[in-house]
Amino acid sequence: AQSVAQPEDQVNVAEGNPLTVKCTYSVSGNPYLFWYVQYPNRGLQFLLKYITGDNLVKGSYGFEAEFNKSQTSFHLKKPSALVSDSALYFCAVRAMDTGRRALTFGSGTRLQVQP
Amino acid sequence: DTGVSQDPRHKITKRGQNVTFRCDPISEHNRLYWYRQTLGQGPEFLTYFQNEAQLEKSRLLSDRFSAERPKGSFSTLEIQRTEQGDSAMYLCASSSLGDLDKGQPQHFGDGTRLSIL
Repeated sequence: AQSVAQPEDQVNVAEGNPLTVKCTYSVSGNPYLFWYVQYPNRGLQFLLKYITGDNLVKGSYGFEAEFNKSQTSFHLKKPSALVSDSALYFCAVRAMDTGRRALTFGSGTRLQVQP
Repeated sequence: DTGVSQDPRHKITKRGQNVTFRCDPISEHNRLYWYRQTLGQGPEFLTYFQNEAQLEKSRLLSDRFSAERPKGSFSTLEIQRTEQGDSAMYLCASSSLGDLDKGQPQHFGDGTRLSIL
């Protein structure tokens, strides 16, 4: 079975400060990892993914994420937060090489960026 | 790239009625997924198609739920005899063509919000 934990329901940060949204995962074998963002009454927008290779992956809108295999974590980061980054963020995982395509999502973290 | 399109955006119906939702994936995508999202939760996987073949089904997909993708293009999700617990956002996603699994991301539509009275 695969699972994702997002330990913080909400993260508050001041505009211009760095932000981190935490994610840990559990999967059999090697993972594919994803971050998505959701705005009110909208679907999920893809931000970035980790497949293999460099542990630091860069994505859309200045976001990046760091894969740590030993800690089974994939934290989302941004050096300087914008008010427009305020949204709901989801981490997702699926196992590599199983043929299964279903993503397992965390429960989400609400990011509030204060001006 | 016109994105994943879902119709309707909102559906209000009485308990016991049948409802059907439609999803049009990104045109060159051969994989299509349905998820359900309840308030305050992440999306939960329901089912997955590769072309017209339904390859994965979640245990969440009870006998009252049926999904089709008859020509490998658009898909429909039908819920029969709706119950209060079916109230949720139903999300469709698609991902690109490719025989090799390279972790292609799934691209989501804006969903159909179902409310059961």
